[in-house]
Amino acid sequence: RKEVEQDPGPFNVPEGATVAFNCTYSNSASQSFFWYRQDCRKEPKLLMSVYSSGNEDGRFTAQLNRASQYISLLIRDSKLSDSATYLCVVNAVRNNDMRFGAGTRLTVKP
Amino acid sequence: EPEVTQTPSHQVTQMGQEVILRCVPISNHLYFYWYRQILGQKVEFLVSFYNNEISEKSEIFDDQFSVERPDGSNFTLKIRSTKLEDSAMYFCASTSGTGAPGTPGDTQYFGPGTRLTVL
Repeated sequence: RKEVEQDPGPFNVPEGATVAFNCTYSNSASQSFFWYRQDCRKEPKLLMSVYSSGNEDGRFTAQLNRASQYISLLIRDSKLSDSATYLCVVNAVRNNDMRFGAGTRLTVKP
Repeated sequence: EPEVTQTPSHQVTQMGQEVILRCVPISNHLYFYWYRQILGQKVEFLVSFYNNEISEKSEIFDDQFSVERPDGSNFTLKIRSTKLEDSAMYFCASTSGTGAPGTPGDTQYFGPGTRLTVL
């Protein structure tokens, strides 16, 4: 089983659509969870951390289910500018390496 | 807003040559990292560095690789004898390491990357 596994995508959605990404991780001792966004040939940029209780930041909602080792990201009212690759990232040991999923590519079309 | 910076943005080298990739982490951060991303593939961890020593390294980080913090601001990755398969984007990251899980102090911030091309 891969350490961090994501929906392979790609997701092609119209503007205004709601889209959800899923991610599973294999290390049950993992402590920190993140969604990063990566534009083509750019560095990963933090989109949001994921808390156990779930958290929301504007149009973005992240959920964590520790029992199922599952993380999700929901994007509502998608914009053209949301087009990017979304990376599920898990930090198993504090302050040590982060493990990245392969990413899910999203294209929002007019 | 403080940023991680990296130089050069693009490095072209001949196979077998040594390269040094440079990073300036965010100034109050204590933990530093190198990652690489081969074109079309996922981001892979190389090494983490804390308190002037390597704290963890991946199997990719073999004897050809080394890291150094030569002064109070720079963090470098050296590849001693480059191979074709070292061609990738190399990202430096840093974190303060002072926050609870999920907080900004627990988050790694990435530099813009150095694109290494080995010919």
